[in-house]
Amino acid sequence: EIVLTQSPGTLSLSPGERATLSCRASQSFSSSYLAWYQQKPGQAPRLLIYGASSRATGIPDRFSGSGSGTDFTLTISRLEPEDFAVYYCQQFGGSPRTFGQGTKLEIK
Amino acid sequence: QVQLQESGPGLVKPSGTLSLTCAVSGGSISSSNSWWSWVRQPPGRGLEWIGDIHPSGTTNYNPSLKSRVTISLDKSQNQFSLKLSSVTAADTAVYYCRAYTGYTSFDPWGQGTLVTVSS
Repeated sequence: EIVLTQSPGTLSLSPGERATLSCRASQSFSSSYLAWYQQKPGQAPRLLIYGASSRATGIPDRFSGSGSGTDFTLTISRLEPEDFAVYYCQQFGGSPRTFGQGTKLEIK
Repeated sequence: QVQLQESGPGLVKPSGTLSLTCAVSGGSISSSNSWWSWVRQPPGRGLEWIGDIHPSGTTNYNPSLKSRVTISLDKSQNQFSLKLSSVTAADTAVYYCRAYTGYTSFDPWGQGTLVTVSS
């Protein structure tokens, strides 16, 4: 089983700042199978990034993904008020298709 | 675009079986590139992948739930289902149905349905 560990657990930043979220895997897998999601309270998760670095339809270009092997990063270049939410990574490189435990991005 | 909608009882008794259905519209559940999946989220906690099924019939389950879970497809009704047996209060969660290929932007989710396990 591929275990995904996200860090930090909580990130406190101000609008306009840059956010860097990490997702580290217990074993290497193809970056084609790494996705990032945003979840706001009371809503289903929304796909942001697939294939580690491709933005999903309608996702602003301030969101970017990078990484390979076991280390992946989601970067939000300039935080907007609507970006404060919980972010999850998920891998589809093996079964079970595990999620990270999430990073809560909160307003400082 | 593909849309998913969960349905099923919102309250299940302990030791009973949780049964949910996900109706698919705007696309075919027989699409060979897609996996059809269930995810759950206990109140205030993170996402837990339950399992998925491919139109070929191949299934994958979370090892922690495997002995209690069955996911099935109904191609004639364009829907898929989840059954979770021997439920306890720990199975109380919002249950989401979703679909994915795992390597493209195709990744629709249902709105989620809260299932409470209580007598």
